[in-house]
Amino acid sequence: AQRVTQPEKLLSVFKGAPVELKCNYSYSGSPELFWYVQYSRQRLQLLLRHISRESIKGFTADLNKGETSFHLKKPFAQEEDSAMYYCALSEVLTGGGNKLTFGTGTQLKVEL
Amino acid sequence: NAGVMQNPRHLVRRRGQEARLRCSPMKGHSHVYWYRQLPEEGLKFMVYLQKENIIDESGMPKERFSAEFPKEGPSILRIQQVVRGDSAAYFCASSLSSWATNEKLFFGSGTQLSVL
Repeated sequence: AQRVTQPEKLLSVFKGAPVELKCNYSYSGSPELFWYVQYSRQRLQLLLRHISRESIKGFTADLNKGETSFHLKKPFAQEEDSAMYYCALSEVLTGGGNKLTFGTGTQLKVEL
Repeated sequence: NAGVMQNPRHLVRRRGQEARLRCSPMKGHSHVYWYRQLPEEGLKFMVYLQKENIIDESGMPKERFSAEFPKEGPSILRIQQVVRGDSAAYFCASSLSSWATNEKLFFGSGTQLSVL
């Protein structure tokens, strides 16, 4: 069965410091991975997906199949990055559509 | 476009009562997903529906839970005879199609169900 692990419930960093939110996955097929973010009092929204190889709000994430990891990184944390971050793995459903398996989330707190 | 709308935001029920959670997808979206988040856990897939059809309900508990997405109106997640363990945040998400590679999934704000 597929599984997503985010080992840290809370990560606290100072503004300007580098950020790395850890995510490890377990999946037998070719994984499609995402990072979702939930800012305070806002809805869960897509931050980035590995197939796009994009940088959003300064965040990047590289899929490492050897280590089965998809860590989220940002070189310099900003106060507005404080939020809950969820790593998720997508699986195609038999009848169509996609099912996401989420990690338990990491609360990022950026302190001044 | 107001996005995915869920109501109510908070729902309190006593054990044994029924809970009905509603989800109106984004305009033009005909694909709806329901997820449940228990305390201290990640969101877990429950069911995937298209208009008038349940496509995949592999994440739904076998008893007491049902979902529908009628031709007209919102999608409904129904929980009969609620128990304390049903207390959770229930999220709905919608997409324009069956979520091709570049398609986005849009989430609602969730309904927090509390069972007394």
